[in-house]
Amino acid sequence: KQEVTQIPAALSVPEGENLVLNCSFTDSAIYNLQWFRQDPGKGLTSLLLIQSSQREQTSGRLNASLDKSSGRSTLYIAASQPGDSATYLCAPQNDYKLSFGAGTTVTVRA
Amino acid sequence: NAGVTQTPKFRVLKTGQSMTLLCAQDMNHEYMYWYRQDPGMGLRLIHYSVGEGTTAKGEVPDGYNVSRLKKQNFLLGLESAAPSQTSVYFCASSYQEFVGQYEQYFGPGTRLTVT
Repeated sequence: KQEVTQIPAALSVPEGENLVLNCSFTDSAIYNLQWFRQDPGKGLTSLLLIQSSQREQTSGRLNASLDKSSGRSTLYIAASQPGDSATYLCAPQNDYKLSFGAGTTVTVRA
Repeated sequence: NAGVTQTPKFRVLKTGQSMTLLCAQDMNHEYMYWYRQDPGMGLRLIHYSVGEGTTAKGEVPDGYNVSRLKKQNFLLGLESAAPSQTSVYFCASSYQEFVGQYEQYFGPGTRLTVT
């Protein structure tokens, strides 16, 4: 059974600071890994998908790295803005199923 | 293109009542999933389907049943609701874009309270 841990559970930073969100998983036999954003009371929005053969994936201010052999992924958000405040979820994929961590709740202070 | 939609958005049930949650997708995806999300926990897979007419159990299937009679719809049923089923329920769908790659797309969720 895939176990996913996200550290820290919560993070509060001033606007403009770079964010580093960590994810670890126990079963390294994954096909890919998705990072999601969830706003309070809302559904999940996919941010990035990293294939198992990739080391990193970038989209705008977001960059995600993947070290499959050690079971780790990191999401970097550059120059944070108040609009980045949300919960970020990591989800490695085994077969066609995702396993989720509890998330990191980010607050960016103006 | 509405993506993944869920009906209803909110519902309050009394213990022992039954209800059905509907998930619909217009992306012609083969795979569909039902999750529940509880405070402080990640999403947990209840049931899933790999195609029309198929269903399979996920991590927490007890107390729930599902059906996938049409490719675009995935129904989640609670036969006799219990307070422990108070949660937010999310539906998702996916397809195999490349070998081994199934990017999932999520609906907005249904908030269920069982009193």
